[in-house]
Amino acid sequence: KQEVTQIPAALSVPEGENLVLNCSFTDSAIYNLQWFRQDPGKGLTSLLLIQSSQREQTSGRLNASLDKSSGRSTLYIAASQPGDSATYLCAVKEETSGSRLTFGEGTQLTVNP
Amino acid sequence: EAQVTQNPRYLITVTGKKLTVTCSQNMNHEYMSWYRQDPGLGLRQIYYSMNVEVTDKGDVPEGYKVSRKEKRNFPLILESPSPNQTSLYFCASSLNPAVYGYTFGSGTRLTVV
Repeated sequence: KQEVTQIPAALSVPEGENLVLNCSFTDSAIYNLQWFRQDPGKGLTSLLLIQSSQREQTSGRLNASLDKSSGRSTLYIAASQPGDSATYLCAVKEETSGSRLTFGEGTQLTVNP
Repeated sequence: EAQVTQNPRYLITVTGKKLTVTCSQNMNHEYMSWYRQDPGLGLRQIYYSMNVEVTDKGDVPEGYKVSRKEKRNFPLILESPSPNQTSLYFCASSLNPAVYGYTFGSGTRLTVV
């Protein structure tokens, strides 16, 4: 059974710092990995989608990498801002799971002014 | 604007009173799913649909029903809600989750007393 783990569970950094969020998964038979952002009381906003054949994707200050064989992904946030404070979730789409995404429990990020 | 719309956003109900949470997408997506999010358990899939009139159980389907009579709508039905169904619910849609990832709605916070 696929398990997705996100470390750390919580992270607090000063504004302007570059930071890395980690996501690991146990079964490498995936189609893709998706990073989401969740603000308190709100829905999930998709940040980046990496296909299994890709190594990384970039959007603005965000860069996500994927090492499928080792079961790892990282989300790099450059020059963090207070507005980046949120919970970040990663989710994998397995090759054999129907339509299901398997989620990690998230990293709660706080960026202090 | 491309989006997944859920209603209501917040709902408090009593045990045993049937309720429906609506979900609608305007992107002509084939795939739709319902998830629930609980502290310590993360997001878990309840039901999914790969097309009109095609639905299947996810990981936690007990106590829920769904229907897919039109491509754009995928309502979640709780025929006899119980307190253990108190949760944050998300609807999601995708053209093809193996390729395009998912778009999520804003969530429905359900409390059953």
